[in-house]
Amino acid sequence: NAGVTQTPKFRVLKTGQSMTLLCAQDMNHEYMYWYRQDPGMGLRLIHYSVGEGTTAKGEVPDGYNVSRLKKQNFLLGLESAAPSQTSVYFCASSYRGLSQYFGPGTRLLVL
Amino acid sequence: AQKVTQAQTEISVVEKEDVTLDCVYETRDTTYYLFWYKQPPSGELVFLIRRNSFDEQNEISGRYSWNFQKSTSSFNFTITASQVVDSAVYFCALSEKGTGNQFYFGTGTSLTVIP
Repeated sequence: NAGVTQTPKFRVLKTGQSMTLLCAQDMNHEYMYWYRQDPGMGLRLIHYSVGEGTTAKGEVPDGYNVSRLKKQNFLLGLESAAPSQTSVYFCASSYRGLSQYFGPGTRLLVL
Repeated sequence: AQKVTQAQTEISVVEKEDVTLDCVYETRDTTYYLFWYKQPPSGELVFLIRRNSFDEQNEISGRYSWNFQKSTSSFNFTITASQVVDSAVYFCALSEKGTGNQFYFGTGTSLTVIP
């Protein structure tokens, strides 16, 4: 039982490049979330999903897209990376919106 | 407006002292959940506790205790006899049924326990 895993753990991008972050959970949770964590800002919700095939915007969705094609996976895409997207990204999953379980995080540096 | 406020940005205590981390929340929902998470220096986020809006009983788990008061919209966290391993950033969070159970996190309190 791996819980929530994230791929990759660390990535460096140049401005304008694209990439996809993968989140996978093996707890059969319906809800999945993507957050970014910046110094002094806490965690801010980017997008979330309440079930396979559904997604919704969170607090800071601009510049990101997501997809939930399979219940266990939640992908976060950056189409054209900007330095302002340098952050630590956390994925989480929960059973019907209750306690969230987090992945280990992905450190992204955009130059 | 910030839905979850953690006014204490940084706290330092000497080992074995008690420390209370404050959390004030704002919601119009009658059904909501409150949470505390711990983020040690290694970076992972560890779930500590969940309370629902209908249960104001205080909870104790070892050296940890939580005081939930709806009258003051507060959900404070106390560590008794602090230890160096308690050094971490602690986040309070709110989930509202009315907003599809979106989570709102406070900005965190960084606790340093000095040996």
